[in-house]
Amino acid sequence: QVQLQESGPGLVKTSETLSLSCAVSGDSISSHHWSWIRQSPGKGLEWIGFVRYTGNTNYNPSFNSRVTMSLGTSKKQFSLNLRSVTAADTAIYYCARPISETSRGSFDVWGQGIMVTVSS
Amino acid sequence: SYDLTQPPSVSVSPGQTASITCSGDKLGNKYATWYQQKPGQSPILVLYQDTKRPSGIPERFSGSNSGNTATLTISGTQAMDEADYYCQTWDGSAVVFGGGTKLTVL
Repeated sequence: QVQLQESGPGLVKTSETLSLSCAVSGDSISSHHWSWIRQSPGKGLEWIGFVRYTGNTNYNPSFNSRVTMSLGTSKKQFSLNLRSVTAADTAIYYCARPISETSRGSFDVWGQGIMVTVSS
Repeated sequence: SYDLTQPPSVSVSPGQTASITCSGDKLGNKYATWYQQKPGQSPILVLYQDTKRPSGIPERFSGSNSGNTATLTISGTQAMDEADYYCQTWDGSAVVFGGGTKLTVL
């Protein structure tokens, strides 16, 4: 059974960098397009981007200049860095895996989510 | 950027059929995906590639996608189906989510 687990600080200061990791168990990271998705309090889902095992990335243009995704050195995790955060970046951050190796969406595996608050 | 539009809310009586729409330019030429999200939980995939149900999703969930509109249909709606529903597609360069629809079963 594939499981994803987000980790990182729950509180980030304004203008600093939000850094999260997603640990993958039950599957090889050498497959799929691994995505980050967020949900602001009381709001809808917002795709941030994905990273592939090749290291190739694809980001939502809304985040393009602030976001970096990469694979972890352990090959069992991937990470998200979001720079210059503001209160508008306060959200639950999910990592997710699509249902097939060729799909970019259709996420059938989600982490439990991690709440990140941005505050001065 | 590509936009998907959903009604903010839909109400249905128990046992009746609920339909939730998702509109986007030529959406019928893309695949639509649907998620269910209950309060405090991660989203669950209920339909992908317009009509396919993942393992464990009840048969009462079905879908269609044509023209500019994809539709999630829940037949014989149950109280447990009360949730937020999101549509999603890949527009060729980005994953796009609709704004979500709150389904109330009353």
